[in-house]
Amino acid sequence: EPEVTQTPSHQVTQMGQEVILRCVPISNHLYFYWYRQILGQKVEFLVSFYNNEISEKSEIFDDQFSVERPDGSNFTLKIRSTKLEDSAMYFCASGTAYEQYFGPGTRLTVT
Amino acid sequence: GNSVTQMEGPVTLSEEAFLTINCTYTATGYPSLFWYVQYPGEGLQLLLKATKADDKGSNKGFEATYRKETTSFHLEKGSVQVSDSAVYFCALLYSGGGADGLTFGKGTHLIIQP
Repeated sequence: EPEVTQTPSHQVTQMGQEVILRCVPISNHLYFYWYRQILGQKVEFLVSFYNNEISEKSEIFDDQFSVERPDGSNFTLKIRSTKLEDSAMYFCASGTAYEQYFGPGTRLTVT
Repeated sequence: GNSVTQMEGPVTLSEEAFLTINCTYTATGYPSLFWYVQYPGEGLQLLLKATKADDKGSNKGFEATYRKETTSFHLEKGSVQVSDSAVYFCALLYSGGGADGLTFGKGTHLIIQP
């Protein structure tokens, strides 16, 4: 059964550094999403991407964040200058406008 | 705005017990409703969904019915197993025409004891 994959599973970085989180969506899906879950809190929507552009974004998705689909298979989330409060589990999802399938997540730790 | 409220955990049950995890929502319009499950060390898996009022979603013995009158989508299972131990998330999706994000509840940690 096809599934969404994410790399790395765990990333440790220093405050102020740039990080890129990678996702390989399910191959025939057209919509792509990023979410985050700070420890002990809700899963929160960050951004959705369709037809090579951002479709929707939340208040969390500020200028420090960007997304890209650099080729036909990868979907990336970049955080330009990480802050301590960016420490969280980041989930990628792919699917349709009506159903989403999640990857296993990348745990980002900012020190 | 949209929101989802689900019962706080952890919920601890014995094997073969009946399970109910409550979920209520607030939303504009008519959202689709979902239950996701997260097993230890894994990502979120779609468990079941319902897209309109009175729809019943079901999968792996779990069921939930979309109740518009009570704005609820409670998860039920008649006889739980140890392997059902996980965190369960209720979520809604209000699609305004774009690729909107899911709104999640806080999650309910379910522990099934043998």
